[in-house]
Amino acid sequence: DTAVSQTPKYLVTQMGNDKSIKCEQNLGHDTMYWYKQDSKKFLKIMFSYNNKELIINETVPNRFSPKSPDKAHLNLHINSLELGDSAVYFCASSPTTTYSYNEQFFGPGTRLTVL
Amino acid sequence: AQTVTQSQPEMSVQEAETVTLSCTYDTSESDYYLFWYKQPPSRQMILVIRQEAYKQQNATENRFSVNFQKAAKSFSLKISDSQLGDAAMYFCAYSRSAAGTYKYIFGTGTRLKVLA
Repeated sequence: DTAVSQTPKYLVTQMGNDKSIKCEQNLGHDTMYWYKQDSKKFLKIMFSYNNKELIINETVPNRFSPKSPDKAHLNLHINSLELGDSAVYFCASSPTTTYSYNEQFFGPGTRLTVL
Repeated sequence: AQTVTQSQPEMSVQEAETVTLSCTYDTSESDYYLFWYKQPPSRQMILVIRQEAYKQQNATENRFSVNFQKAAKSFSLKISDSQLGDAAMYFCAYSRSAAGTYKYIFGTGTRLKVLA
């Protein structure tokens, strides 16, 4: 059973398009995250949700809009895609948002390529 | 602001040998947590080991151990008896609770190659 799953794993699209990436966790965790890993492998947090509520928004362009229909799902919608959006996007979850000792469980990543 | 630095973009080690990956961080806080995550070619990030800053004892997990030097703000990862499956990107991360939440700050990663 996959703990944190993402769909799709690969996404190739044209500039200007709108696309979504879906994430689901079956661990019963309260907190979910979106990270962006650029071509140099630098991993940076974008958003954090706790029980469907936005907790962290790290100065991400408003073309990126996360949506959490329930605490097991956190989707990422991207409008008007740009070349610089090409990256690997990781979803992650952790039991709660309050204990910094918590391990984060990562999904397999979605490689987005914008042409 | 907290920062995490991994000064070795790439390291190589012979199978069965020992290798140490370096990580330094900058913080003015005294209570925080440090992690090492592994990212193999499959891209899946996996927790290797974690350390609580208020614990002086270095964490160990089987072949993996850390050398935590709080005063020097250093958190290196030692891999003993290296195996081919250890080949991966290794990321150091810092975490601290603030305002009821926390987030990871990752280093830039070290690519480890294991030579047969």
